[in-house]
Amino acid sequence: GIQVEQSPPDLILQEGANSTLRCNFSDSVNNLQWFHQNPWGQLINLFYIPSGTKQNGRLSATTVATERYSLLYISSSQTTDSGVYFCAVTVSGNTPLVFGKGTRLSVIA
Amino acid sequence: DSGVTQTPKHLITATGQRVTLRCSPRSGDLSVYWYQQSLDQGLQFLIQYYNGEERAKGNILERFSAQQFPDLHSELNLSSLELGDSALYFCASSVRQGQTEAFFGQGTRLTVV
Repeated sequence: GIQVEQSPPDLILQEGANSTLRCNFSDSVNNLQWFHQNPWGQLINLFYIPSGTKQNGRLSATTVATERYSLLYISSSQTTDSGVYFCAVTVSGNTPLVFGKGTRLSVIA
Repeated sequence: DSGVTQTPKHLITATGQRVTLRCSPRSGDLSVYWYQQSLDQGLQFLIQYYNGEERAKGNILERFSAQQFPDLHSELNLSSLELGDSALYFCASSVRQGQTEAFFGQGTRLTVV
């Protein structure tokens, strides 16, 4: 099956810093999503981005499907950004999301 | 609020018991997925239903079963519970299978004691 690798596994930032999270996948995908799991366990949709670039406030994401990677940018980080960021992909129209192991982000005031 | 509703939010039960987790998908979504997240683990796919029919199975134990009802809500049944079944169980829904955005419920935190 498809492999989804996220890096770095852990990241500690000072409040106000910027960061880039990476997601590599081993096969062509037709769906890619980024999620934020907050400290209470909720999975929050950030981006649905099988290709191209999207921005939502301080967050933006880029997927280069031909090179099999996606990047999540967080600018001017805040303590509320802390949690685990997951990348998840589907390989074909009938398959469920396959998740990476996540990047655990801690933002320190 | 994702629009996906899971009940209960928390469940504590003893080993050997059976529990049922419930999921109501977003209005209009036909596909329902169940995932398990054990402590410090990633999200593992269990099973998927589309418009009442089972469409895909992941690493779901034989002690676990699920179904999707005509009103599209889904239930995940966990039986002969073991300590290792303690986890966060998520339900997700999407309009169609795979190629559309999936939204997750708040999860049910199951603790087996």
